[in-house]
Amino acid sequence: DGGITQSPKYLFRKEGQNVTLSCEQNLNHDAMYWYRQDPGQGLRLIYYSQIVNDFQKGDIAEGYSVSREKKESFPLTVTSAQKNPTAFYLCASSMTSGRLETQYFGPGTRLLVL
Amino acid sequence: QKEVEQNSGPLSVPEGAIASLNCTYSDRGSQSFFWYRQYSGKSPELIMFIYSNGDKEDGRFTAQLNKASQYVSLLIRDSQPSDSATYLCAVKGSARQLTFGSGTQLTVLP
Repeated sequence: DGGITQSPKYLFRKEGQNVTLSCEQNLNHDAMYWYRQDPGQGLRLIYYSQIVNDFQKGDIAEGYSVSREKKESFPLTVTSAQKNPTAFYLCASSMTSGRLETQYFGPGTRLLVL
Repeated sequence: QKEVEQNSGPLSVPEGAIASLNCTYSDRGSQSFFWYRQYSGKSPELIMFIYSNGDKEDGRFTAQLNKASQYVSLLIRDSQPSDSATYLCAVKGSARQLTFGSGTQLTVLP
């Protein structure tokens, strides 16, 4: 089955702790994205990567870090500098850039602060 | 002004009626427009995309785009209770990244 997987489904973070959210895709997509969704709000872009070993900040990158060492994987680390991390985190991927680029989403990770 | 605006709702329609969801955007250089459906607690799933002015139909769904008015809409014909969800409008602007609206919550009443 082709698709995007995210793990874990739920993640609990203690104050001062860094946590890493996993995102893997086997769709052979070039581009991958991380979004954050807060209750009743739309999605906000955290980071994106269009090729391996390259990534760019989105609108709300502060307190987050990413890596893109493999085409299939784009992990997101929520650092202790992110003071309000409680949210639904969504990973997406797309095959091509350009006008017809279509993003598909993984099932999401819900991050909660203890 | 928000870049992509949607009425938050909730919008309620009776089963079998037409649901009309609206979205406006501010970036005149926007090229592509997407509608996603998101059930409560789940991730968004793509319903349709449109990039040319006019209508695009796919089953019970019709997307309408008017670039002059910077307006895109989604019509759902013969609405079913299973259509009850939040509908997200997403716009690919001149910066080539998707910007999402905050979504419209739709409830289809049996």
